Amino acid sequence: AQSVTQLGSHVSVSEGALVLLRCNYSSSVPPYLFWYVQYPNQGLQLLLKYTTGATLVKGINGFEAEFKKSETSFHLTKPSAHMSDAAEYFCAVSHGSSNTGKLIFGQGTTLQVKP
Amino acid sequence: GAGVSQSPSNKVTEKGKDVELRCDPISGHTALYWYRQSLGQGLEFLIYFQGNSAPDKSGLPSDRFSAERTGGSVSTLTIQRTQQEDSAVYLCASSLEQGNQPQHFGDGTRLSIL
Repeated sequence: AQSVTQLGSHVSVSEGALVLLRCNYSSSVPPYLFWYVQYPNQGLQLLLKYTTGATLVKGINGFEAEFKKSETSFHLTKPSAHMSDAAEYFCAVSHGSSNTGKLIFGQGTTLQVKP
Repeated sequence: GAGVSQSPSNKVTEKGKDVELRCDPISGHTALYWYRQSLGQGLEFLIYFQGNSAPDKSGLPSDRFSAERTGGSVSTLTIQRTQQEDSAVYLCASSLEQGNQPQHFGDGTRLSIL
């Protein structure tokens, strides 16, 4: 079975500071990994994804994540936080060879950005 | 429209009533997913459609929940005899095909059971 753990339900950073949101996964097969962002009263928007190939993945809004198989991690980073980054972030995994593509989500991390 | 459309955006109903939630996926997307987002359980997969068939219904919590998809497009999620624990945001997503294609989400239906 697959699972995702996001360390820290709430993360607070100052504007301009580094953002680091942690995600660890469990999967018995090569996973596909995703980060989504959710703004209040909206659906989820894809930030970035890893399927195969380069392990450092760049996404929208200056975010990037690195797939580390040895650590079973897929942490999300952004060098400099902006006020507009305040939202809830979800890490998700799907079965790499699954014929469904269903996503298993972590519990989410709320990012607060202080001025 | 350009994105996934869900209706209604909000639904308040009494315990025991039936409700229908609608999802209009992005045109041409063959894969369609329903998820539920609640405070206690987070984001949970409910059901997956490929075309009009549902090869994975493993996330439906009880037989009060059912879903269908017609014409390879619009999907309806039906909850019969609603219970208070059904209160949640129901999210629909679609993708070009299953697997590594990104899923595009609608804004959800917020369901409140009184």
